[in-house]
Amino acid sequence: GQQLNQSPQSMFIQEGEDVSMNCTSSSIFNTWLWYKQDPGEGPVLLIALYKAGELTSNGRLTAQFGITRKDSFLNISASIPSDVGIYFCAGDLYGQNFVFGPGTRLSVLP
Amino acid sequence: EAGVTQFPSHSVIEKGQTVTLRCDPISGHDNLYWYRRVMGKEIKFLLHFVKESKQDESGMPNNRFLAERTGGTYSTLKVQPAELEDSGVYFCASSLTGRNTEAFFGQGTRLTVV
Repeated sequence: GQQLNQSPQSMFIQEGEDVSMNCTSSSIFNTWLWYKQDPGEGPVLLIALYKAGELTSNGRLTAQFGITRKDSFLNISASIPSDVGIYFCAGDLYGQNFVFGPGTRLSVLP
Repeated sequence: EAGVTQFPSHSVIEKGQTVTLRCDPISGHDNLYWYRRVMGKEIKFLLHFVKESKQDESGMPNNRFLAERTGGTYSTLKVQPAELEDSGVYFCASSLTGRNTEAFFGQGTRLTVV
């Protein structure tokens, strides 16, 4: 079946630094979604991408839909402590179901 | 507008017992999904309802899991009998119909089988 890989698996950064993480797939998708999960909560949608090459921002977050439709990246600028959490990418091809990556665990050091 | 709600938030049961999880999707969302995250691994798809019909149940691990969505509103996921490896967080998500739609998640039900 379809699988997504996310890198890095985890990262420790200093407050104020920029963060970059990506998601790759062996197959193409029509939709890429980025979610953040806080402990004890469900994933919360951050950004949705629907078109190859699309670049979308949400505050300090920027995500891009790769031109090959097999990858996506998420950037966080000027990280703050509340950015801590697990970031999941998810891909969807036909609006049937979403395939999730294993997540990138972000820790922000003061 | 209420988001996706799940009940209970936590459940601890003994091996061999039965547990039923409930999900109330966002009103008007025809698509309802169940996912599971086990032992800190990735979130895995279980099944997808479109209204009351099972569109895709390829992710259901075995026949101990039964999902229903009577009337196309809320959904239940029953595990009977529960095994230790069923422990994890069960998420429900819902979305509108169409290709360019996002799935919104509930807070999850943490199931612990002891």
